[in-house]
Amino acid sequence: DTAVSQTPKYLVTQMGNDKSIKCEQNLGHDTMYWYKQDSKKFLKIMFSYNNKELIINETVPNRFSPKSPDKAHLNLHINSLELGDSAVYFCASTNPHGRQFFGPGTRLTVL
Amino acid sequence: DQQVKQNSPSLSVQEGRISILNCDYTNSMFDYFLWYKKYPAEGPTFLISISSIKDKNEDGRFTVFLNKSAKHLSLHIVPSQPGDSAVYFCAAKDGGATNKLIFGTGTLLAVQP
Repeated sequence: DTAVSQTPKYLVTQMGNDKSIKCEQNLGHDTMYWYKQDSKKFLKIMFSYNNKELIINETVPNRFSPKSPDKAHLNLHINSLELGDSAVYFCASTNPHGRQFFGPGTRLTVL
Repeated sequence: DQQVKQNSPSLSVQEGRISILNCDYTNSMFDYFLWYKKYPAEGPTFLISISSIKDKNEDGRFTVFLNKSAKHLSLHIVPSQPGDSAVYFCAAKDGGATNKLIFGTGTLLAVQP
């Protein structure tokens, strides 16, 4: 009965590769998010989709491309990975009152 | 420019005593504040929240206080338990339609048995 799930949990890859992280929520929420937690532990929003439409794009490099095939899924595709992309990426969804529910995170390591 | 700040990166408290975690914000348009708790290798989990129209919200051992004039909120945990040891994030929601949350940098709470 996992509410927000992400795959994979760990991802180790070489610089220059392209990778995807998947996220699914079974809470029936309309809005989903991607956050990045960097080495300083700062949780920063990257994107938000509401019912498959992009509503927040926080000046993220265009190597990052979110895709929402339906309102229960928000995937993150990253092209030409760089060392600085190493971080933990969290997916979240929100209820109408603004309370966000987070996935377990994906730790991305770029070598 | 960080709009939500948690100036104490860590806090150590004895079991049974009160833990007080602090958070300051700069944007007066924030209308909803939340506290999240995070264990290692897990996502943040919601703990407690408060609307900007209130100054206190209580849920069991957890109480959040909001001082709008000082742009300050605090989380009180009493009595503290070893299982409360985690990173606590303060977050603020802007008044817009996106429900965007701005997070502080977190405070690591260690409750000593």
